[in-house]
Amino acid sequence: DAMVIQNPRYQVTQFGKPVTLSCSQTLNHNVMYWYQQKSSQAPKLLFHYYDKDFNNEADTPDNFQSRRPNTSFCFLDIRSPGLGDAAMYLCATSSIRGATNEKLFFGSGTQLSVL
Amino acid sequence: AQKITQTQPGMFVQEKEAVTLDCTYDTSDQSYGLFWYKQPSSGEMIFLIYQGSYDEQNATEGRYSLNFQKARKSANLVISASQLGDSAMYFCAMREGGYSTLTFGKGTMLLVSP
Repeated sequence: DAMVIQNPRYQVTQFGKPVTLSCSQTLNHNVMYWYQQKSSQAPKLLFHYYDKDFNNEADTPDNFQSRRPNTSFCFLDIRSPGLGDAAMYLCATSSIRGATNEKLFFGSGTQLSVL
Repeated sequence: AQKITQTQPGMFVQEKEAVTLDCTYDTSDQSYGLFWYKQPSSGEMIFLIYQGSYDEQNATEGRYSLNFQKARKSANLVISASQLGDSAMYFCAMREGGYSTLTFGKGTMLLVSP
């Protein structure tokens, strides 16, 4: 059974049209992460939540926002998608933050296309 | 400077053979963790194996082992007896101490042929 679920699997949006990607988890983990992965590149961390505490990476564009209404759900909002935002977006969770052996559990990702 | 370097964009191996995927890392921390993840075409990142910087023995998980050479700052993944289902992208990643986040390398695409 999937433990980190991302919907939809594929998302097509228009240039400049706001889009929201969703992630839910059944693991009851405290930490949720959003990564952006462009073709043939390493996943790049956008931001993460530790409980309700939001942590933005310094180089994450303002165009990207996130919401975590409760432990189970986390959303990625792209306010005005550009062509360069087309990518796979990966959600991940972990039960602890900061330990060097912290293991991340990933969803299957949402592949975003911008037309 | 890159913290995680994977120099092999792609690797080919025949079924049932062993294969080594290279990973070198750069850190000045004494405490850190090294991970390998597998990403099949379906997209999900699957955790394979973990090695802590203070672990004296190389980590093993089934057919996966991590060849940890601390002085060389390398953490190569060895897959024994390759299977067709091992065809995927493989990422090496590191977490340094002090509440840092996970940093990934660029990955190595492994193709296993019959």
